[in-house]
Amino acid sequence: QQQVKQSPQSLIVQKGGISIINCAYENTAFDYFPWYQQFPGKGPALLIAIRPDVSEKKEGRFTISFNKSAKQFSLHIMDSQPGDSATYFCAARPSGSARQLTFGSGTQLTVLP
Amino acid sequence: ETGVTQTPRHLVMGMTNKKSLKCEQHLGHNAMYWYKQSAKKPLELMFVYNFKEQTENNSVPSRFSPECPNSSHLFLHLHTLQPEDSALYLCASSQEARGYTFGSGTRLTVV
Repeated sequence: QQQVKQSPQSLIVQKGGISIINCAYENTAFDYFPWYQQFPGKGPALLIAIRPDVSEKKEGRFTISFNKSAKQFSLHIMDSQPGDSATYFCAARPSGSARQLTFGSGTQLTVLP
Repeated sequence: ETGVTQTPRHLVMGMTNKKSLKCEQHLGHNAMYWYKQSAKKPLELMFVYNFKEQTENNSVPSRFSPECPNSSHLFLHLHTLQPEDSALYLCASSQEARGYTFGSGTRLTVV
């Protein structure tokens, strides 16, 4: 079963706009929440990550917002650019011995010029 | 280059062929993974190796056979595949799942 639910499946944004991708999780024992960016023909690459003891993390135009009580986290891309067009995956890592990442289903982002 | 190298990049094979995918990492990571990525589907974890020991096999059909001879190399041996096995096969490595480094993948087409 999928423990991390990601939405929307696809997103189209105008250049300069804000892209928002949401993820919700069920397992409260997750302790690390990364986002990956994947361009066509490439493997996913780590973009930004957050731990549950902070509510927000910003790196350049990319921000993760984390709501522990709602068990939700989201990626915001400010001033979206055509070069941001890619597939984005959220993920979560459980604490404890079985520490494989659980991935969301992905969001295909298209930024129109 | 991400630090994880996969070969070949593209592979076309018949259903009766035997082929192998190779993955190599020189990041000093202690865990390596095989994922399957099909169109419009989530990343599917296939196998996990920690310190060369297989720690997870997610009900993968026996026509997929992994091998991890050392902590830097991972293989996926393929035989008698089906057309539905056509997908992008991704290798990744990590140090305690802190941040996965993925390879660029092998695009497999079974004809």
